Amino acid sequence: DAGVIQSPRHEVTEMGQEVTLRCKPISGHNSLFWYRQTMMRGLELLIYFNNNVPIDDSGMPEDRFSAKMPNASFSTLKIQPSEPRDSAVYFCASGRSSGANVLTFGAGSRLTVL
Amino acid sequence: AQSVTQPDIHITVSEGASLELRCNYSYGATPYLFWYVQSPGQGLQLLLKYFSGDTLVQGIKGFEAEFKRSQSSFNLRKPSVHWSDAAEYFCAVGAGTGANNLFFGTGTRLTVIP
Repeated sequence: DAGVIQSPRHEVTEMGQEVTLRCKPISGHNSLFWYRQTMMRGLELLIYFNNNVPIDDSGMPEDRFSAKMPNASFSTLKIQPSEPRDSAVYFCASGRSSGANVLTFGAGSRLTVL
Repeated sequence: AQSVTQPDIHITVSEGASLELRCNYSYGATPYLFWYVQSPGQGLQLLLKYFSGDTLVQGIKGFEAEFKRSQSSFNLRKPSVHWSDAAEYFCAVGAGTGANNLFFGTGTRLTVIP
């Protein structure tokens, strides 16, 4: 298994631009999570999906952030418009919603908004 | 509500020395407990987990952790640290089964001096 795959690994963009981060979870995992990591706030859960359905998006900072999971093998996190304070590393993780709650993380997408 | 406390933000040890990273949790029932490691520029990798049974659990890379219910602790240990162990370590508590019930501590950064 290739693990959780995220793209892009690095993104540099200008304030006001749209950013789309992508994630492919591990096959057979039915839960998917988006986390944001910064020096100031540590690891924050933004949103998670069970069986492609968003369950809890209370961690999404504001309406500029949106996430979708159109099928079991793909999810996106979109920021529109982006702002410098969105600069962070965004992690996607997947797991199973029943049984052992072990998460497998992707390598992350480092976003820099100028 | 469940929570995880890692009281040490940063720890420095010499290569070959022993290591103990502290983790305290708050949860009303028997928790599922995890330690993850994050190397620079990488995602989080599972080191070990405790679900039930023997309170001393062995993980990868020579790490172990001991669950102490009376102290609500799950400290991570390694008898002899290697330079490659320099990373950030996250303790997490799972509140019941399912990957959607995982809560992370703020992390402890480990520096290893040659």
